[in-house]
Amino acid sequence: KQEVTQIPAALSVPEGENLVLNCSFTDSAIYNLQWFRQDPGKGLTSLLLIQSSQREQTSGRLNASLDKSSGRSTLYIAASQPGDSATYLCAVPTTGRRALTFGSGTRLQVQP
Amino acid sequence: GAGVSQSPSNKVTEKGKDVELRCDPISGHTALYWYRQSLGQGLEFLIYFQGNSAPDKSGLPSDRFSAERTGGSVSTLTIQRTQQEDSAVYLCASSPTGLAGGGELFFGEGSRLTVL
Repeated sequence: KQEVTQIPAALSVPEGENLVLNCSFTDSAIYNLQWFRQDPGKGLTSLLLIQSSQREQTSGRLNASLDKSSGRSTLYIAASQPGDSATYLCAVPTTGRRALTFGSGTRLQVQP
Repeated sequence: GAGVSQSPSNKVTEKGKDVELRCDPISGHTALYWYRQSLGQGLEFLIYFQGNSAPDKSGLPSDRFSAERTGGSVSTLTIQRTQQEDSAVYLCASSPTGLAGGGELFFGEGSRLTVL
């Protein structure tokens, strides 16, 4: 059974800091890994999708890496801004199912 | 439409009533998923549709829950005889190819269900 863990559960940083969010998963037989952002009371917005054959993906100030063999992914946010405040979730395919298993998220607060 | 559309955005109902939640996926997306997010909890997979294949219903919590997808497009999630523990945000997502094809998931804004 696929289990996804995100550390830390919550993070508060001053504006401008670079930060790293961590995601680990127990079953490395994955098709891909996806990072999402969720604002309070809203749905999920896809940030980055890393295929199993890739090591990293970049979009603007975001960079996600994937180490499949060790079951880990990191999301790096450069020069954080107050608008980055949200919950960040990682998700990987569920073993034996055609759906994603989500981590419980990292709640990020960027202080102006 | 440009994104995944869900309706209603909010639904308040009395215990024991039936509810229907609707999802319009992104045009051309063959895969459609329903998830549930309870207060303070993570996302829980409910059901998955892919093209004309039989749906994966392995996540449905009880036989009070059912879903259908008509014409490979719009999906309806039905909850019969609602209970207070059904209160949650129900999220729909679609994907152009499904996970096995490396597809990216796109979510709607969700339907918030409150059972009194």
